[in-house]
Amino acid sequence: EAGVTQFPSHSVIEKGQTVTLRCDPISGHDNLYWYRRVMGKEIKFLLHFVKESKQDESGMPNNRFLAERTGGTYSTLKVQPAELEDSGVYFCASSQGTTVNEKLFFGSGTQLSVL
Amino acid sequence: GDSVTQMEGPVTLSEEAFLTINCTYTATGYPSLFWYVQYPGEGLQLLLKATKADDKGSNKGFEATYRKETTSFHLEKGSVQVSDSAVYFCALRSPGGYQKVTFGIGTKLQVIP
Repeated sequence: EAGVTQFPSHSVIEKGQTVTLRCDPISGHDNLYWYRRVMGKEIKFLLHFVKESKQDESGMPNNRFLAERTGGTYSTLKVQPAELEDSGVYFCASSQGTTVNEKLFFGSGTQLSVL
Repeated sequence: GDSVTQMEGPVTLSEEAFLTINCTYTATGYPSLFWYVQYPGEGLQLLLKATKADDKGSNKGFEATYRKETTSFHLEKGSVQVSDSAVYFCALRSPGGYQKVTFGIGTKLQVIP
């Protein structure tokens, strides 16, 4: 069974440009999450989708970030325009349910560098 | 709000040495506690978990005990191997928090032969 897939694995862009990250969750997983790890800091929650609906977007840093999950399958996270402080590793995760016994599956992340 | 504090590292150990990575937390109620591991080039993987006080999570020779009185969840392994080299994240999830996980800063472990 395929795991959570993220694309690209690395992205280097200049300040002011736009970048779109993609996440393909495990097939059948209704719950999809985005997390971010800024260098030297904790992994922080960004938002949670249930199917195509945003359940919780309390962690989104500002309106330069836009997440979508059209059709309830894959998700994209767009940063426009990118700033230097957006650099970090963006992780996607998925789960079938949301109880404590449900396992959360993570992708290997997208390393974003904004120069 | 919820928070997790863990030693930043890096931690360098010789093979077969004893490992302890300290983790303490702040949370309301009774959170579930986790250790995740990220091997080079891979995603985060759940290493072990404990869902209530005094529970011990264990996996691959690693152990951690949920200590409510000290709000701690220290990770231990009696004899580390080179293949244990990775970044280890302590984490918690508050009751009713879906899968909104609060992570620590991560501790990089390097095991040398």
